[in-house]
Amino acid sequence: GNSVTQMEGPVTLSEEAFLTINCTYTATGYPSLFWYVQYPGEGLQLLLKATKADDKGSNKGFEATYRKETTSFHLEKGSVQVSDSAVYFCARDMRFGAGTRLTVKP
Amino acid sequence: GAGVSQSPRYKVAKRGQDVALRCDPISGHVSLFWYQQALGQGPEFLTYFQNEAQLDKSGLPSDRFFAERPEGSVSTLKIQRTQQEDSAVYLCASSLRRDRAYEQYFGPGTRLTVT
Repeated sequence: GNSVTQMEGPVTLSEEAFLTINCTYTATGYPSLFWYVQYPGEGLQLLLKATKADDKGSNKGFEATYRKETTSFHLEKGSVQVSDSAVYFCARDMRFGAGTRLTVKP
Repeated sequence: GAGVSQSPRYKVAKRGQDVALRCDPISGHVSLFWYQQALGQGPEFLTYFQNEAQLDKSGLPSDRFFAERPEGSVSTLKIQRTQQEDSAVYLCASSLRRDRAYEQYFGPGTRLTVT
């Protein structure tokens, strides 16, 4: 089965809104956790990562904290921009979630 | 330097044909991964190389799929006797370190359409 479950999309927000995209993972072993982003017309690229419990990954205003107790790695951003419109993928080592499409409207 | 490149970018094959997809990883990257991404889905792991050694091929969906990386750099994913369900984007990624959980750099993908 899939090792990563993430929030289904699509998600549509207004500019400057708060964003949360939920992600949970199976707890086998000591995985590293990642968020990748795919902007329209571009390839997948790493957004942020965390390699052990309680680590917080951050980049471009996005944050995610590795929560071992809840097996979660939720992606958050305090104020989204139109340029954040993309598909976001949560990953546990080499296992990816199905992706969440985010559209930010001006 | 250059990123991960893949060729061809698009491939149309008739059912039953064999195809070969090429990946050129970032120079010096030890690890190389292949994924299959169906429309609207996340990448599904196919196989993983550390240098020339194929350490994990648990994701290959059938024995029609074969991957190699003979000199530890360029890799080829071959699909024999293609079927319609093989239609997908095939992504290659490389990583600097041996640790398979290290961050990966993705190529643009090869979109395979089997008619």
